[in-house]
Amino acid sequence: DQQVKQNSPSLSVQEGRISILNCDYTNSMFDYFLWYKKYPAEGPTFLISISSIKDKNEDGRFTVFLNKSAKHLSLHIVPSQPGDSAVYFCAANGYTSGTYKYIFGTGTRLKVLA
Amino acid sequence: EAGVAQSPRYKIIEKRQSVAFWCNPISGHATLYWYQQILGQGPKLLIQFQNNGVVDDSQLPKDRFSAERLKGVDSTLKIQPAKLEDSAVYLCASSLQLAKNIQYFGAGTRLSVL
Repeated sequence: DQQVKQNSPSLSVQEGRISILNCDYTNSMFDYFLWYKKYPAEGPTFLISISSIKDKNEDGRFTVFLNKSAKHLSLHIVPSQPGDSAVYFCAANGYTSGTYKYIFGTGTRLKVLA
Repeated sequence: EAGVAQSPRYKIIEKRQSVAFWCNPISGHATLYWYQQILGQGPKLLIQFQNNGVVDDSQLPKDRFSAERLKGVDSTLKIQPAKLEDSAVYLCASSLQLAKNIQYFGAGTRLSVL
């Protein structure tokens, strides 16, 4: 039962263009969402988050959009840089199965081409 | 501010042997998590602690895995006996609280079971 899904395993984008990473969730109890970036041999690093009371949060080149009715969130990176090449995980936090949990998606590998 | 510390970084063992991982969370973080990340998948929660109490261990294979968090600070995760399918990266994370908080991850321990 995959409650958080990232349906695109990989994405390639030209440097300077926009990268759009997508994430879908099924549990309406999730009310806080996060994006993490992971480089090889390192732990995931927090990137940006959004509460369910908002539909957009922006931090520099990174913007997260939340569509609660569609149970969908996306991460926009503008402009994309080669250093953004990494695996990106979305995570959802909420009350599920008797406690608050973080559920992660399977990740999308972003490659930014110079 | 020091991050989440994990050791060892790498471990190679034979099946049926035992292994232990250690984690020191960020100072003041009440919540500590252990995740298992198999190659190509997202982090899967094994167990989460609030201070020194277990909040959720529903996905921990309790016949072989055990974890403790003495005095509400450091934590150890043990596997005994290990199986081939336990080969994965074991990630420790911490956050201030259970809900609507950023999780901070350690670099992880890569376990290979031969």
